[in-house]
Amino acid sequence: QVQLVESGGGLVKPGGSLRLSCAASGFKFSDFYMRWIRQAPGKGLEWISYITSDRTTFYGDSVKGRFSISRDNAKKSLYLQMDSLRAEDTAVYYCVREYFYRFDLWGQGTLVTVSS
Amino acid sequence: QSALTQPPSASGSPAQSVTISCTGTSSDIGSYNYVSWYQHHPGKAPKLLIYDVTKRPSGVPDRFSGSKSGNTASLTVSGLQAEDEADYYCSSFAGNSNYVFGTGTRVTVL
Repeated sequence: QVQLVESGGGLVKPGGSLRLSCAASGFKFSDFYMRWIRQAPGKGLEWISYITSDRTTFYGDSVKGRFSISRDNAKKSLYLQMDSLRAEDTAVYYCVREYFYRFDLWGQGTLVTVSS
Repeated sequence: QSALTQPPSASGSPAQSVTISCTGTSSDIGSYNYVSWYQHHPGKAPKLLIYDVTKRPSGVPDRFSGSKSGNTASLTVSGLQAEDEADYYCSSFAGNSNYVFGTGTRVTVL
């Protein structure tokens, strides 16, 4: 079954860290660019980071220097290390497959809540 | 980069049509034919409905169609069905691996 399944979300205090994981199945994970896209409560979608098939990484301005994306093609997994978390990082985080200018496969998302 | 502008809500009766607009700028929608649309039932994974302005992935009913004129893209849902009640988001490529998303539209089937 072609799917993405996120895990690792939860409640964390401001300044804390969290690591999200995304398990891919049913397709050749190593061939695809992958992104993390988030949706804060009551807000729209925002891409925050992506990684190419050869592991080049890019970050949105809102998370640059605090978040780190990585992938393990052998494990068919995508990761997002989130440090120095802020209240405004509270959101549902989606693992997303990118294919020729479209996001053609999404996970169900994992909720990250940053609160004291 | 500013989000694309969508109406917050749209509605229609079963079998009717509803059209959702998505307004951007000459730096995104106006420059590229890489507009996509996503359907999101809360709590579930968002689903790609339309890509490259007008194309439908395999398995998406032809009730869903997309178009673009200038800096505005549109999604039309024809023959509304109860299961079409969801949130809809547009997205556009904006150059340099950057994408901008729409503000989202909640579609209600009356």
